[in-house]
Amino acid sequence: DGGITQSPKYLFRKEGQNVTLSCEQNLNHDAMYWYRQDPGQGLRLIYYSQIVNDFQKGDIAEGYSVSREKKESFPLTVTSAQKNPTAFYLCASSPLAGGPNRYNEQFFGPGTRLTVL
Amino acid sequence: AQSVTQPDIHITVSEGASLELRCNYSYGATPYLFWYVQSPGQGLQLLLKYFSGDTLVQGIKGFEAEFKRSQSSFNLRKPSVHWSDAAEYFCAAYAPGNQFYFGTGTSLTVIP
Repeated sequence: DGGITQSPKYLFRKEGQNVTLSCEQNLNHDAMYWYRQDPGQGLRLIYYSQIVNDFQKGDIAEGYSVSREKKESFPLTVTSAQKNPTAFYLCASSPLAGGPNRYNEQFFGPGTRLTVL
Repeated sequence: AQSVTQPDIHITVSEGASLELRCNYSYGATPYLFWYVQSPGQGLQLLLKYFSGDTLVQGIKGFEAEFKRSQSSFNLRKPSVHWSDAAEYFCAAYAPGNQFYFGTGTSLTVIP
């Protein structure tokens, strides 16, 4: 079955630690995204990538970093510079806008809940 | 600036009653519009989408939405709500050259 996987489902971090959240897709989508979700604030875009080895900052990129070395993988690192990292993190992917499906419909993974201890 | 607004933070309906969730958008041109549903602790699932053409679109799970250009709205409806519809609902919009914008969500509670 095609889809998006995120791991782990739950993650606990101590103050000052960096942690990496995994996101893998086998949908052959070009674009991938990371969102942060907090109660009452909807989804906020952290980073996105439309092509391998290239990515752009979203609205709340400070304290986060990403890489896109493979088309199917887009890991997110939450660094110690992120002052309030406790949140639910969602990864998504979409066919490249402008391609056969230019409407940018996004498909979501099941999410990772990060808690800072 | 582009934005998507869901004016209702929380809605409670009785099982079997009809449902309407509101969504308004602010874009320079008509964007592509989407409704997603999220169960607790889960990712988002696409319910339906509007790109062009017929302004009444049908989705999964018996949901439909109507696009009204004059009101910049894309409201989600269901004639008869089931207890399993209790979830968080997100409206989203996208215009080429811009990022996806999500509303802040509407939480639906269904009472027996």
